[in-house]
Amino acid sequence: DAKTTQPNSMESNEEEPVHLPCNHSTISGTDYIHWYRQLPSQGPEYVIHGLTSNVNNRMASLAIAEDRKSSTLILHRATLRDAAVYYCILRDEDTGFQKLVFGTGTRLLVSP
Amino acid sequence: DTAVSQTPKYLVTQMGNDKSIKCEQNLGHDTMYWYKQDSKKFLKIMFSYNNKELIINETVPNRFSPKSPDKAHLNLHINSLELGDSAVYFCASSQDRAAGETDTQYFGPGTRLTVL
Repeated sequence: DAKTTQPNSMESNEEEPVHLPCNHSTISGTDYIHWYRQLPSQGPEYVIHGLTSNVNNRMASLAIAEDRKSSTLILHRATLRDAAVYYCILRDEDTGFQKLVFGTGTRLLVSP
Repeated sequence: DTAVSQTPKYLVTQMGNDKSIKCEQNLGHDTMYWYKQDSKKFLKIMFSYNNKELIINETVPNRFSPKSPDKAHLNLHINSLELGDSAVYFCASSQDRAAGETDTQYFGPGTRLTVL
């Protein structure tokens, strides 16, 4: 599995936008970029995923660099509930049933 | 209704005991997983079952034996528990992928196992 690199932690104030970066310089053409997050004392939950184009859903936006070697998860207005560990994961969608390979993620702290 | 549920939520036991953790999903998914999150918060796949068949076994000791009685259930039985087995165990499920789609995984709330 291709490797991702994320900052260990980031801080934000409530109601401000948050940009969580992820570097994946060894990404292959068939790797999708997935983001999951884990709230305290809960299981991970899916946030968003994309391949080449930027993606938006009700939770977040995903901005993917043109060369696909990096991406940014954007929370448009952080809330206290968004405090979690965010994982950027690459998945090869061509090879069937896929496990999720979690790295260390970015711990997002949100202040009131 | 909880999509992926696990029982028990907490499990405290002595070394050497045998214990089971149960997982059920009501999403109609075909694939189920067990992940382990250790004390350093590293989350790692252990097993994956698709339609009751084992498809991923990530070099987990033989003391761990998953059992899938049907598509909606994947239980984890652990023999001869050791101190190092203390962790949070998460069950997850996903639907088989249609062409061009991805198999989002849905996780349960976790079972915190403490071995004394």
